Amino acid sequence: AQSVTQLGSHVSVSEGALVLLRCNYSSSVPPYLFWYVQYPNQGLQLLLKYTTGATLVKGINGFEAEFKKSETSFHLTKPSAHMSDAAEYFCAVSDQRGGADGLTFGKGTHLIIQP
Amino acid sequence: DSGVTQTPKHLITATGQRVTLRCSPRSGDLSVYWYQQSLDQGLQFLIQYYNGEERAKGNILERFSAQQFPDLHSELNLSSLELGDSALYFCASSVGVSSDTQYFGPGTRLTVL
Repeated sequence: AQSVTQLGSHVSVSEGALVLLRCNYSSSVPPYLFWYVQYPNQGLQLLLKYTTGATLVKGINGFEAEFKKSETSFHLTKPSAHMSDAAEYFCAVSDQRGGADGLTFGKGTHLIIQP
Repeated sequence: DSGVTQTPKHLITATGQRVTLRCSPRSGDLSVYWYQQSLDQGLQFLIQYYNGEERAKGNILERFSAQQFPDLHSELNLSSLELGDSALYFCASSVGVSSDTQYFGPGTRLTVL
């Protein structure tokens, strides 16, 4: 069974500072990995995804993530935080065996931006 | 706007009752997924349908059922409701049957009193 661990239920950074949200996964097969963002009272919006190929993935709103197989990690970063980045962020994994599947999500990290 | 629509936005009901949540996928998407988001359990995958057929089951209770209709919209039926069923229920859709990007709807907030 696959699982996702997000370190830190809350992360606080100053506006303009580096954002680093951590995600580690376990999967018996090479996974597909996703980061979603959820703003208050809204659904989930895809930030970026890794399937195959280049391990550094660029997403929307200046976010990027790097797939590190040896560390089973897929950490999300943004060089300079903006107030509008305040939201809940979810890391998710999908088993790419080719059959039907749903996403397995981490518990989420609430990102707080200090002015 | 993801293109996935869900109705109703809010639903308040009593224990023991039955409700139906509705989802319309993005145009062209054949897969529909249902997820439950609660403070206790986080985001959990419930069930997936692809082109009218059930394709995957997650942590879905026996009191819950779903179906996908020929026009590809889907309904999630929740029966014998309990207080613990209060949660946000999301529908997501994707083009294919597996591992495609899933696009999420705005959710239905269910409150069981």
